[in-house]
Amino acid sequence: ETGVTQTPRHLVMGMTNKKSLKCEQHLGHNAMYWYKQSAKKPLELMFVYNFKEQTENNSVPSRFSPECPNSSHLFLHLHTLQPEDSALYLCASSQDLSEPTQYFGPGTRLLVL
Amino acid sequence: AQSVTQLGSHVSVSEGALVLLRCNYSSSVPPYLFWYVQYPNQGLQLLLKYTSAATLVKGINGFEAEFKKSETSFHLTKPSAHMSDAAEYFCAVEGAGGTSYGKLTFGQGTILTVHP
Repeated sequence: ETGVTQTPRHLVMGMTNKKSLKCEQHLGHNAMYWYKQSAKKPLELMFVYNFKEQTENNSVPSRFSPECPNSSHLFLHLHTLQPEDSALYLCASSQDLSEPTQYFGPGTRLLVL
Repeated sequence: AQSVTQLGSHVSVSEGALVLLRCNYSSSVPPYLFWYVQYPNQGLQLLLKYTSAATLVKGINGFEAEFKKSETSFHLTKPSAHMSDAAEYFCAVEGAGGTSYGKLTFGQGTILTVHP
């Protein structure tokens, strides 16, 4: 695998379910990002991790819980989501925060019923 | 705070015609500027970036963009459109330092349609 991978690519969940999104980067980067992409809205930055430490939480509701166990992996744990949380969730990585060029994964298309 | 404005949410061109996608930014410091492309059901792919070197930047797939500080613009062009260029294009800015450090601010995107 090369670049940034995300699993699953598609996810359907009920509002009472708990699920996790996984992102893995094979670029040797140290910064990782979660974005939310909704229809007709600009990309929304959710979380930023730099060397495994969270440096940004962009006022994201607590039903979204990120985890970064090492510089190559990033998770987004989901619980008691709302239908308006349905969106494409994109993961990205960069060398670190001083090198802002970000490389994106293919995204997870989430549908909350 | 930085902002990015992409003029025109939809642009339609004929195959072989010039592609021009407009991007204006506001930043209090010399920025880093990016263009990304997103094909249906895919993530964002980096097309090109400006990082304070040459003002005319060449990217992949025949695209290029020119940084014009006086106009605070970073428009994306391609001399001759191809059907495979149909996608959504995003301009983004990162202004080093302060609260913007390491963060990209994206425009709302421009959907490019290419007609035969």
